[in-house]
Amino acid sequence: GESVGLHLPTLSVQEGDNSIINCAYSNSASDYFIWYKQESGKGPQFIIDIRSNMDKRQGQRVTVLLNKTVKHLSLQIAATQPGDSAVYFCAENKKAGTALIFGKGTTLSVSS
Amino acid sequence: EADIYQTPRYLVIGTGKKITLECSQTMGHDKMYWYQQDPGMELHLIHYSYGVNSTEKGDLSSESTVSRIRTEHFPLTLESARPSHTSQYLCASSEPGQASKKLFFGSGTQLSVL
Repeated sequence: GESVGLHLPTLSVQEGDNSIINCAYSNSASDYFIWYKQESGKGPQFIIDIRSNMDKRQGQRVTVLLNKTVKHLSLQIAATQPGDSAVYFCAENKKAGTALIFGKGTTLSVSS
Repeated sequence: EADIYQTPRYLVIGTGKKITLECSQTMGHDKMYWYQQDPGMELHLIHYSYGVNSTEKGDLSSESTVSRIRTEHFPLTLESARPSHTSQYLCASSEPGQASKKLFFGSGTQLSVL
């Protein structure tokens, strides 16, 4: 079936490095994508979103890239900090008016 | 910080008990959702509502039921809890309109059924 997935279940980086978390999606009709950060014992927290008519969107220390040709989504975190340690989920919206579908998470561990 | 609240935060209960997980939001959002999440795993949609008196089942089959009598309140009920219901339950809401799809999440209820 169609689903949103992430390439790696875990990612370990050193403090100050740039992190790249990847996500593959299979539904070419999806028009909205979003990244969430979930810390232990908490609900997911919005990071950044992007619509399918865009290739790139930047926030504070984060950038989301969308490659519709290969159905690939990535989250780049600049100058990763220990506070960035969490599980990161991508999600897609397959059609207007429906709820977000989440992929499997990537656990980011930042060591100082 | 989103104004969406879930209670209780943790619940340990015996098999066969009826439980209700509470979710309230003060943002006036018309859309509300319940997701189920096992540790370290993805979120699965179990119920959603697009407004008062509107409820739909999500992608993941669930023995729970929901109601939406007031805009701000979206409780989830399990008539007879079983160990297989042990999981984290996350409530979320989103703003009105087709263009707004960003979800705001509560902190979740961690349910353990013995």
